[in-house]
Amino acid sequence: DVKVTQSSRYLVKRTGEKVFLECVQDMDHENMFWYRQDPGLGLRLIYFSYDVKMKEKGDIPEGYSVSREKKERFSLILESASTNQTSMYLCASKVPGANQPQHFGDGTRLSIL
Amino acid sequence: AQKITQTQPGMFVQEKEAVTLDCTYDTSDPSYGLFWYKQPSSGEMIFLIYQGSYDQQNATEGRYSLNFQKARKSANLVISASQLGDSAMYFCAMRGFIIQGAQKLVFGQGTRLTINP
Repeated sequence: DVKVTQSSRYLVKRTGEKVFLECVQDMDHENMFWYRQDPGLGLRLIYFSYDVKMKEKGDIPEGYSVSREKKERFSLILESASTNQTSMYLCASKVPGANQPQHFGDGTRLSIL
Repeated sequence: AQKITQTQPGMFVQEKEAVTLDCTYDTSDPSYGLFWYKQPSSGEMIFLIYQGSYDQQNATEGRYSLNFQKARKSANLVISASQLGDSAMYFCAMRGFIIQGAQKLVFGQGTRLTINP
């Protein structure tokens, strides 16, 4: 079974802090994704990476950056956390291929105070 | 641009009844794919079923089936013989643009399904 592990289930940070969310997958997947989930809006793509050191902006990249130095690890960085970044963050990975599903981690519920 | 619409914010169903969760989509691409995911209260997203636009038959996976009506641009999820463990949030998603084989998913707003004993 594919295992996607997010470093924290719950995280509380303060406004202005630099926040790191970590995601690790154990299936050698090339593609990795970061989404945020808000009630009534579904999931929205922040950034994705199709290979090591490669990254592409998603629909809502403002205020975020990412890092992928190793194939198994994809980090989401909030450069200067703000209260409107309070949300559920979900990481996913997959193999290339149009009909291949994305496999998700358990999510990190982030609160910015 | 792709768009997914799920018009049912919440549904309540008696155990053992069949359930249909609605999903309509909009795209100008001739080739596309539709995914359904389940999200229990614990938070993880579980892949349920996939339908490609060129697939000749409706997808099925155990108690899950997809009622795919291409002309109406709908891809409804059908759950047969519902169980208490089916209570969860359900998301319909469409395959979006592809870069280097990595496809973006466009999600609907979700439907919260509650199964009553």
